[in-house]
Amino acid sequence: DTEVTQTPKHLVMGMTNKKSLKCEQHMGHRAMYWYKQKAKKPPELMFVYSYEKLSINESVPSRFSPECPNSSLLNLHLHALQPEDSALYLCASSNQPGQGLGEQYFGPGTRLTVT
Amino acid sequence: AQRVTQPEKLLSVFKGAPVELKCNYSYSGSPELFWYVQYSRQRLQLLLRHISRESIKGFTADLNKGETSFHLKKPFAQEEDSAMYYCALDSSNTGKLIFGQGTTLQVKP
Repeated sequence: DTEVTQTPKHLVMGMTNKKSLKCEQHMGHRAMYWYKQKAKKPPELMFVYSYEKLSINESVPSRFSPECPNSSLLNLHLHALQPEDSALYLCASSNQPGQGLGEQYFGPGTRLTVT
Repeated sequence: AQRVTQPEKLLSVFKGAPVELKCNYSYSGSPELFWYVQYSRQRLQLLLRHISRESIKGFTADLNKGETSFHLKKPFAQEEDSAMYYCALDSSNTGKLIFGQGTTLQVKP
């Protein structure tokens, strides 16, 4: 399996809801990432996990909470989001830390709408 | 500061014409540079990395440290090349990709 999968494809949530985004890869990659992408803009890095430990948090608001239960799974827990958080959320993975980390494999994304 | 600049938002060419998508970077160390492509309704995918020096789908990119550039070139554009292209820099091999703003390539028949 050489793909990164993400669920759900689309998500609509109210500002008081709690929801989670899921990401999975079975390529044996030990680094995983969350990005936020607005329309016609480049992806913006949110979090990096290396060997299941959070290694980079790009000053993301606490209403976004990442979790890496094991080497294949990455979650992003959402609560009390704002309408401006509406975006495409991308997950990516890459090889072992220290080896070609910039060569990342992206999932198709979850289109999030906050109402 | 680390930065990637893609000066053109849109590049429109006719099929069969040469293509050059510009990318300039600002980085004090030894950069790792990439080109990523996003076709319509498809996921973002790696096109090229400067270390491999290979040609993918007819595209090549050469790292010019003197000019701090990593331009993407193809001698003869095809309609299926129409997509958004992002140049990206991996700072210190941390996986923290710094993307340029992207260039939309439109290849007209």
